[in-house]
Amino acid sequence: EAQVTQNPRYLITVTGKKLTVTCSQNMNHEYMSWYRQDPGLGLRQIYYSMNVEVTDKGDVPEGYKVSRKEKRNFPLILESPSPNQTSLYFCASSPNSGLASNTEAFFGQGTRLTVV
Amino acid sequence: KQEVTQIPAALSVPEGENLVLNCSFTDSAIYNLQWFRQDPGKGLTSLLLIQSSQREQTSGRLNASLDKSSGRSTLYIAASQPGDSATYLCAVFFGNEKLTFGTGTRLTIIP
Repeated sequence: EAQVTQNPRYLITVTGKKLTVTCSQNMNHEYMSWYRQDPGLGLRQIYYSMNVEVTDKGDVPEGYKVSRKEKRNFPLILESPSPNQTSLYFCASSPNSGLASNTEAFFGQGTRLTVV
Repeated sequence: KQEVTQIPAALSVPEGENLVLNCSFTDSAIYNLQWFRQDPGKGLTSLLLIQSSQREQTSGRLNASLDKSSGRSTLYIAASQPGDSATYLCAVFFGNEKLTFGTGTRLTIIP
C-alpha cells in the first residue's frame, strides 16, 4: 500500500531535549516536505526536499533541521524543542516538486508534539 | 502575497442536502489545486486534484471546480451523509515548492 508513515504519532517532551520525528514514503517520490498545523494558522511549511541531499527552508524553519540521506526518508529534527513548537506535524511527499501540474501530494497521519 | 482563503470556517447541514464549500486564492497563476479531508486527530486524505488546465474533477459524490480567472474553487458534495463530517482543506500549488493551505471549513452533517 502506498503511504507516508510518520513516527511517533504522539510525543510529549521537555524543553531542550532533542527529538527526531521520522517520515518514510514507499512511493519512490522525489519531493518531501514537513508542515506544522496550528489553530487559526492552517498548515505552514517548515522544510522541503526536492531530492536526496537537496533540502531548503520553508516558511517557518526556525528551530528545526532536516536531512535527506535516502530517497524514502525525511526526518525532522528539533535540536532544542521549546513550548512554541507544540503543534501537529505532517510529512508529505509527491512524485516531484509540482512543476508537472498533475502532482498529487500524499500526507502522513500526523505527529502531535507537546513540549512542556 | 499568495494566500488561500476558505469561508465559512464552519458549516452545519442536514443530512441528504447538497452543499458547496468555497476556496479563493490571490494569484491566478497556479499549477494545481487540491482538496483534502481531515478527520479529528488524523491526517489529510486527498480528495481531488485539479490541474491548472482543468475546470473540474469528479469523484463519486464529490465535484471540484476551478476558475483561475476569478481565483476560486468550489467543492460540491451531493447527498451529504453523517460520514462526510470533517474539516475540508483547500491547498494551492503556486509553483514555489510548497502547498499553500486555507484554514479549512469544518463541516458537520446533522442526522
